[in-house]
Amino acid sequence: GENVEQHPSTLSVQEGDSAVIKCTYSDSASNYFPWYKQELGKRPQLIIDIRSNVGEKKDQRIAVTLNKTAKHFSLHITETQPEDSAVYFCAASDYAGKSTFGDGTTLTVKP
Amino acid sequence: EAQVTQNPRYLITVTGKKLTVTCSQNMNHEYMSWYRQDPGLGLRQIYYSMNVEVTDKGDVPEGYKVSRKEKRNFPLILESPSPNQTSLYFCASSYRGRTDTQYFGPGTRLTVL
Repeated sequence: GENVEQHPSTLSVQEGDSAVIKCTYSDSASNYFPWYKQELGKRPQLIIDIRSNVGEKKDQRIAVTLNKTAKHFSLHITETQPEDSAVYFCAASDYAGKSTFGDGTTLTVKP
Repeated sequence: EAQVTQNPRYLITVTGKKLTVTCSQNMNHEYMSWYRQDPGLGLRQIYYSMNVEVTDKGDVPEGYKVSRKEKRNFPLILESPSPNQTSLYFCASSYRGRTDTQYFGPGTRLTVL
């Protein structure tokens, strides 16, 4: 089955700096790669996603890149703010409907 | 308001006592899924359903059952709960499933003594 590895598990940055979280996946059948943000005590919410026919996608301060050949994708947050502090999860999904999540990255943005 | 609801939100029970966690969505989504979240392990998929009467196992289906008799409902059944099923459970739904945004319910925190 699919295996998704996410790094780092914790990340601390200064406000205004950039943050990068990386994920690798194992199953070449995976074709949808969402990123979710989960604040303490709340449900995960989608922040950005990318499909396998696209290499990069950007939404304001957030961007995701996908390298299908190397089977890895990354989340980039620029100009970080304290409200970006949360746990971030990557995931890989296939056409059959299976979704595999990474173990999460706890991002702390220091004011 | 478009939403995914789960009940109960919190449950403490004892080993072996059958329980059901309900999940309902009002967005006419075809795809629904159950996850459990444990510290340091992210979200692990238990079961998913691509449509009515169609269910499939995720990565950790042992000890759980599901059914999808109606499009809006996807209950999770623990026939004989054990302490290792103590976890935070999330239901999620999406319009088409395969490559679509999943909307999560508020979560159900289950403790099995």
